[in-house]
Amino acid sequence: DAGVTQSPTHLIKTRGQQVTLRCSPKSGHDTVSWYQQALGQGPQFIFQYYEEEERQRGNFPDRFSGHQYPNYSSELNVNALLLGDSALYLCASSEGQGGQPQHFGDGTRLSIL
Amino acid sequence: AQSVTQLDSQVPVFEEAPVELRCNYSSSVSVYLFWYVQYPNQGLQLLLKYLSGSTLVKGINGFEAEFNKSQTSFHLRKPSVHISDTAEYFCAVSETGGFKTIFGAGTRLFVKA
Repeated sequence: DAGVTQSPTHLIKTRGQQVTLRCSPKSGHDTVSWYQQALGQGPQFIFQYYEEEERQRGNFPDRFSGHQYPNYSSELNVNALLLGDSALYLCASSEGQGGQPQHFGDGTRLSIL
Repeated sequence: AQSVTQLDSQVPVFEEAPVELRCNYSSSVSVYLFWYVQYPNQGLQLLLKYLSGSTLVKGINGFEAEFNKSQTSFHLRKPSVHISDTAEYFCAVSETGGFKTIFGAGTRLFVKA
């Protein structure tokens, strides 16, 4: 039973560029959440997708957007990259009801030069 | 708004000694509580969760936590640690019925031989 898979594992971009990160949830899970984890900090909630719609959003600018497909996989898009966007981006999946434990992928390490 | 405070940024302990990692939360509504562990270059793994019922929760790898509503705490304990327990530990909270999970800044547990 595959867990949460994320791609790519590492990515290097320059300021101003755009990036797309991908996530496949654990089998049987229909909800995907995205987190940003800066070095030495806890994960910060970006947003959550359920039934192909953004269900809740954290305190992140509109440069951060996402999408969920009918097979529950998800993408995180970040436009106009800033140096401060350098972080580990984590995807987590869970079942539909709120508050359920989440299963995390190993993340995508994004470095902005 | 919810918040999570992990009272110790680092906890050094000798192998086979007991350990307690402290977590306090703030919320105006009822909550679910979680502890996650993160090993280097990996995502987060759920150790244990409190959703309702008994305030003493047992998790994987010999860890347990106690929910104290009056003190708004959810401290993590293990009676005897191993070198392999060296990792970053995160306390997290979500509103009952909500979708957003708030994480603490993490506590680095360092087990010495």
